[in-house]
Amino acid sequence: AQSVTQPDIHITVSEGASLELRCNYSYGATPYLFWYVQSPGQGLQLLLKYFSGDTLVQGIKGFEAEFKRSQSSFNLRKPSVHWSDAAEYFCAVVHDYKLSFGAGTTVTVRA
Amino acid sequence: GAGVSQSPSNKVTEKGKDVELRCDPISGHTALYWYRQSLGQGLEFLIYFQGNSAPDKSGLPSDRFSAERTGGSVSTLTIQRTQQEDSAVYLCASSFGGTQRGEQFFGPGTRLTVL
Repeated sequence: AQSVTQPDIHITVSEGASLELRCNYSYGATPYLFWYVQSPGQGLQLLLKYFSGDTLVQGIKGFEAEFKRSQSSFNLRKPSVHWSDAAEYFCAVVHDYKLSFGAGTTVTVRA
Repeated sequence: GAGVSQSPSNKVTEKGKDVELRCDPISGHTALYWYRQSLGQGLEFLIYFQGNSAPDKSGLPSDRFSAERTGGSVSTLTIQRTQQEDSAVYLCASSFGGTQRGEQFFGPGTRLTVL
């Protein structure tokens, strides 16, 4: 079955430091992959998505992600984290129009 | 409206009671989804509506759960005889249907607490 795995439950990063969140997928064909962010008490907001083509995709809020077929990965990165980036991040894959989400990674930003 | 709206934002009920959760999708979106977010299970798909097609109910956890979508717009998720394990945040999303690439826009969710 198609699925995604987020190995890191919680990451703490200093403001201004770089951030990388890991996502591994299990899918037979080329997957349609997404990263969503959920701030406390909020719904999910799409950061970026990958369908095909250029393997480095740019998203909102300064985030980018790189699709690596050889590693079955779709890691999310940000060069310099802001305090407002503290949130929970979800990687997801779509199949039959339904999203399957990873368990999420909670990001804490320290001053 | 500008985004997906859900009501109520919070619902506290007693075990055994029925509850109804409402979702108003973005105008013009033909696809509507319900997901559930709980501590033990994470984010999981419940049901998917696309236009006038029969809904995909493959994610509903039991026959106590049902959903309908009236007039291709508003949707109601009904949970009968609620149990404590039904406590979760219920998220609704909508998208332009007909393609796997359509971005799903999520509402703020309804937090259900079953006492």
